[in-house]
Amino acid sequence: AQKVTQAQTEISVVEKEDVTLDCVYETRDTTYYLFWYKQPPSGELVFLIRRNSFDEQNEISGRYSWNFQKSTSSFNFTITASQVVDSAVYFCALSEDPNFGNEKLTFGTGTRLTIIP
Amino acid sequence: DTEVTQTPKHLVMGMTNKKSLKCEQHMGHRAMYWYKQKAKKPPELMFVYSYEKLSINESVPSRFSPECPNSSLLNLHLHALQPEDSALYLCASSYGQTVSYEQYFGPGTRLTVT
Repeated sequence: AQKVTQAQTEISVVEKEDVTLDCVYETRDTTYYLFWYKQPPSGELVFLIRRNSFDEQNEISGRYSWNFQKSTSSFNFTITASQVVDSAVYFCALSEDPNFGNEKLTFGTGTRLTIIP
Repeated sequence: DTEVTQTPKHLVMGMTNKKSLKCEQHMGHRAMYWYKQKAKKPPELMFVYSYEKLSINESVPSRFSPECPNSSLLNLHLHALQPEDSALYLCASSYGQTVSYEQYFGPGTRLTVT
């Protein structure tokens, strides 16, 4: 069974500090996809990134970067020079499909990030 | 346009009421989802529609009844709910129901059952 662990329940950092959100996953599939979503206080989940299991290249998008390491089953998310608008709950999620047509997204428990001005 | 809209934003209903939640997308997505999210918890999948057919029902009680009238619309009919059903109900859509596609979420309907 697939599982996503986000061990950090809550993190607070002062604005402009860098912060890394950890995500560890478990899966028996060789083909799977990993995602990060942001949920601000307004409630809507915002898609941030998708990464497939065959692409271990790190990705950078502005202040956001992601480090995917299959050897440690981790897909960590770093925000550089954090801003107050980054305050939100961040979910890591895994999608695998042992039976085609029955895919589900398994979410981690989320990390609540608070950026202190 | 990556927008999923949901109405209403807030809903308060009694345990004997019948109400419906509505979700709409115009991205040409063929898969649509209902999730339930309790406070400080991740979203929990309830239903998945693929090409307007129900493909996944996560053993949701029959007091929740989904409907997909067309590829752009998804409804969730509510009847005889319990106070523990109070939660944020999120709708999502994706291009297809395969592992590779990201889901786009609406802002949710915050439901309170009294």
